[in-house]
Amino acid sequence: QQQVKQSPQSLIVQKGGISIINCAYENTAFDYFPWYQQFPGKGPALLIAIRPDVSEKKEGRFTISFNKSAKQFSLHIMDSQPGDSATYFCAARGSNSGYALNFGKGTSLLVTP
Amino acid sequence: GAVVSQHPSWVICKSGTSVKIECRSLDFQATTMFWYRQFPKQSLMLMATSNEGSKATYEQGVEKDKFLINHASLTLSTLTVTSAHPEDSSFYICSASTGSQPQHFGDGTRLSIL
Repeated sequence: QQQVKQSPQSLIVQKGGISIINCAYENTAFDYFPWYQQFPGKGPALLIAIRPDVSEKKEGRFTISFNKSAKQFSLHIMDSQPGDSATYFCAARGSNSGYALNFGKGTSLLVTP
Repeated sequence: GAVVSQHPSWVICKSGTSVKIECRSLDFQATTMFWYRQFPKQSLMLMATSNEGSKATYEQGVEKDKFLINHASLTLSTLTVTSAHPEDSSFYICSASTGSQPQHFGDGTRLSIL
């Protein structure tokens, strides 16, 4: 059972545009929501993360928006660049599950020049 | 930032052999290491969680006798795929963390069984 649902599966954005990836979860025990970026043949790299006591977190061009009541969170990539082309995974975890991450299915982002 | 090293990055071996993959946290002590499996264009599937000095906890459906995990120190965990077969071919990724700190991932091991 997929505990974190991610959409869209793939996304094409023009350079300079905004990329938006959405995730939803059901388990209210989740208390940490990271986003990972993965390039082909590499492991995922932590991009940005948020906890449910905050509705938004921004780091450079990357912003997480978090809606606790709707149990949804999203990643916004502003001024998207071709170098941002990668697969993005949202994840969630709870302290009562040994800190294991539950990953979404991933979004393949292509930023065209 | 925290660095996790995984070795080897790519291994090809014959069916029936055993393969060991190492995961090292280079600049921090990892109380917990996680092992994942990833098929092409799919998400990461957690195989097992290992805490230093304890037996690994395997996810449902993962054969503990086939995927042997050892976490003998705070900087090293190993995954041994025993009697590997072609269906075990995959991308294996480890991650390491300390307590509630974020997980940091290695660059994965591409395992191909002929």
